[in-house]
Formats: sequence, structure tokens, C-alpha cells
Amino acid sequence: DAKTTQPNSMESNEEEPVHLPCNHSTISGTDYIHWYRQLPSQGPEYVIHGLTSNVNNRMASLAIAEDRKSSTLILHRATLRDAAVYYCILRGSQGNLIFGKGTKLSVKP
Amino acid sequence: KAGVTQTPRYLIKTRGQQVTLSCSPISGHRSVSWYQQTPGQGLQFLFEYFSETQRNKGNFPGRFSGRQFSNSRSEMNVSTLELGDSALYLCASSFSAGYTEAFFGQGTRLTVV
Repeated sequence: DAKTTQPNSMESNEEEPVHLPCNHSTISGTDYIHWYRQLPSQGPEYVIHGLTSNVNNRMASLAIAEDRKSSTLILHRATLRDAAVYYCILRGSQGNLIFGKGTKLSVKP
Repeated sequence: KAGVTQTPRYLIKTRGQQVTLSCSPISGHRSVSWYQQTPGQGLQFLFEYFSETQRNKGNFPGRFSGRQFSNSRSEMNVSTLELGDSALYLCASSFSAGYTEAFFGQGTRLTVV
């Protein structure tokens, strides 16, 4: 399974945008880029996924580089509730989710 | 609709015992995956079941096993428990296997003493 690299931690101020980066230089052509987050004392929660083009949903936006070797999860206005560990995961059509260490996002009021 | 239900939520077992954890997926979902989460190793994939068949298996010893029933409910079993098996065990369900969105339960916190 291809690996992803994320910063260990990031900080943000409440109501400001947050850009969470992810590098995946060994991504294959059929790998989807998934983002999950895990709030304290809860199971992971799906955020967004994409293949080639940028994606938006009610939670976030996913910007995918043209060569697909990196992507960025964008939270448009961080809230205290967005404090969590964010995981960037590559998943093939037949594969399972392989979690890395993720990025711990802290949101300051 | 109801989410993924894992039972029990908390469990304390003694070394050498065995344990069975249960997972009820979201209605209509046919894929169930299991993960182990520890502070040191993070989230590690155990196995995935789809339509009662194991599709993928992670790198865990044979003491860890699972199964899926015809109603898509799944159980995982750990035999001959070791202290290192203490962890949060998470179950995730998906409509189908592969790239679809996975929904996780709250997990079962297993403590081995």
C-alpha cells in the first residue's frame, strides 16, 4: 500500500481557514485519496475523498495536485469542534484503509 | 438511520482468556472491517469481511479471528489474550468493499490484566 506523509501537528485559530497537507508521492493511478478525522474518544469519521479533481462537501474541500503526489484538506472556517486527528489515506478499489499517524489539529478560541 | 453498534463498550479480561467482540453494521451495509487502536501503534487494520467472506487480512497473529453472518453482523475473537492486546477495537461498515465511505462505531475498549 502506498504511504502518506503528514505533519504531526498543526494549530489554527477559530473561524480561520485551515489547510492540512498530505504528501503521497508513490500514489498509483487507481488510488483514491481519503480523509478521515478522529475526535477525542470517538471512532474515525469520514471527511472527504477524491481521485483526480478537487472535491467539495459540507464539511471540507479537497485540493489534489495535478500530478496527484500531494493533496490538501481545507476546512474553510475552523471551529473548536474541528479539533481532531486528521488522517490522509490512500485506498485502492480493492484495498482497505491504512491509517498513518495523522495530523493533530488544535483550534484556539 | 442507526449507526454502527459495537458491543460491549468496555471489557476487562485476564491474560490467557479469550474474548468475542460484536459489531452490527449500518442497515444495508455488507462490508465490515476491524481495526485495533493503541497509543503506540495507532490504528492498525485487522481484517475485512464482505458477504460473509474475508477479503483482506492485516498482519496480526492467528489468535485474532473474525467472521461475518448472513445479516452482515460481524464478530471478532481473540484467543489466549496477552497484555499487549489491550486496545480500542473499532469496527467500520461500508455499503460495499473498496473505495466507498466507511462508518466507524465507537469501539470496544479491551483491557487485559
